[in-house]
Amino acid sequence: DIQMTQSPSSLSASVGDRVTMTCRASQTISNYLNWYQQKPGKAPKFLIYAASNLQSGVPSRFSASGSGTEFTLTINSLQPEDFATYYCQQSYSVSFTFGQGTMLQ
Amino acid sequence: QVQLVQSGAEVKKPGASVKVSCKASGYTFFIYALHWVRQAPGQRLEWMGSINTGNGIAKYSPKFQGRLTITRATSANTAYMELGSLASEDTAVYYCAREWAVDFWSGFDYWGQGTLVTVSS
Repeated sequence: DIQMTQSPSSLSASVGDRVTMTCRASQTISNYLNWYQQKPGKAPKFLIYAASNLQSGVPSRFSASGSGTEFTLTINSLQPEDFATYYCQQSYSVSFTFGQGTMLQ
Repeated sequence: QVQLVQSGAEVKKPGASVKVSCKASGYTFFIYALHWVRQAPGQRLEWMGSINTGNGIAKYSPKFQGRLTITRATSANTAYMELGSLASEDTAVYYCAREWAVDFWSGFDYWGQGTLVTVSS
């Protein structure tokens, strides 16, 4: 199974900040990497696919990059609604493994 | 608009089974696969399995093989997830999610609201 590891586990920031979080895969997954945002008590929201492509409707302050085993998600000019937990997910194998999440607080 | 509406919360005793439904609307049901993902309290999202809603073929995570069954009823635009031999560790919110795909990439673009399953004696 492909393991996904995110860092940091939590991140403190303020409105207007720029933040970056990382996701690492236990083996190469090319760019088969998705990012989701989840708020407490809610279902995840699909943000990014193929490592760097924004889903329709996702604000342009979100950006992502990476390939192989290391990936990053950056949020520029944090807005109040961005405080949430972010999960990466590999879609390279059918197990669709998720990382443990980075809580942005 | 696309919606996935799941059945309500369940409380089950250890050893029992639970069946959760996921009713889809707002799109052509059999074009998109549906997946089941669970999240135990304070834990990461965990992929359980999926179903090709066109041909009914299901795939399962090895972790749940043998006690998980995913089915669908095309006439009702509904998918079902049945998990047996429940234990306390199965207490979680269970989500259904639609698989979106473009070329070789896929992700889960619409999610149900989640169904809390509590396993307790």
